[in-house]
Amino acid sequence: GQQLNQSPQSMFIQEGEDVSMNCTSSSIFNTWLWYKQDPGEGPVLLIALYKAGELTSNGRLTAQFGITRKDSFLNISASIPSDVGIYFCAGLRYSSASKIIFGSGTRLSIRP
Amino acid sequence: NAGVTQTPKFQVLKTGQSMTLQCAQDMNHEYMSWYRQDPGMGLRLIHYSVGAGITDQGEVPNGYNVSRSTTEDFPLRLLSAAPSQTSVYFCASSPAPDQPQHFGDGTRLSIL
Repeated sequence: GQQLNQSPQSMFIQEGEDVSMNCTSSSIFNTWLWYKQDPGEGPVLLIALYKAGELTSNGRLTAQFGITRKDSFLNISASIPSDVGIYFCAGLRYSSASKIIFGSGTRLSIRP
Repeated sequence: NAGVTQTPKFQVLKTGQSMTLQCAQDMNHEYMSWYRQDPGMGLRLIHYSVGAGITDQGEVPNGYNVSRSTTEDFPLRLLSAAPSQTSVYFCASSPAPDQPQHFGDGTRLSIL
């Protein structure tokens, strides 16, 4: 079936550093989504991308829909402690049975 | 704003028991879905529904049943619980399949 390869699996950063993570697939997607999950809660949508090449920002977060439609990137600038959590990418391919496929997540931790 | 409400938040079952996980949304969303989240595996789709009276299987449907008698509710039934079904279960909804989903806070289920 369709799979998304999300990397890195985890990262430890210093407060104030920039963060980059990405998702790749062998399949084309029509929509790319980025979610964040805090402990004990459900994922919350951060950014939605609908067009190849699209670059969208949400505060310190910027995400891009890859030109090939097979990848997406999320950048976080000047990280702060509340950025800690698990970030998931998700891809959606329009079909008669539209289903969102999730990556395995990137766990972001801040070094004390 | 209630959004997506899942009950119970925690449950412990014995092998072979049955139970229903409840999910309700008050946003009049047509599309609803159930996921399970296991460590290192992201979110995997169990079942989904594109509207009242319509359900379909996702990636990991075995051992689970769903029904959608109303737009608001989408219960997930475990017919005979097995230890492999120990997981965190998330319900999500969106206006349409090609729109970003809103998630509940999850049900943490342990099967002994």
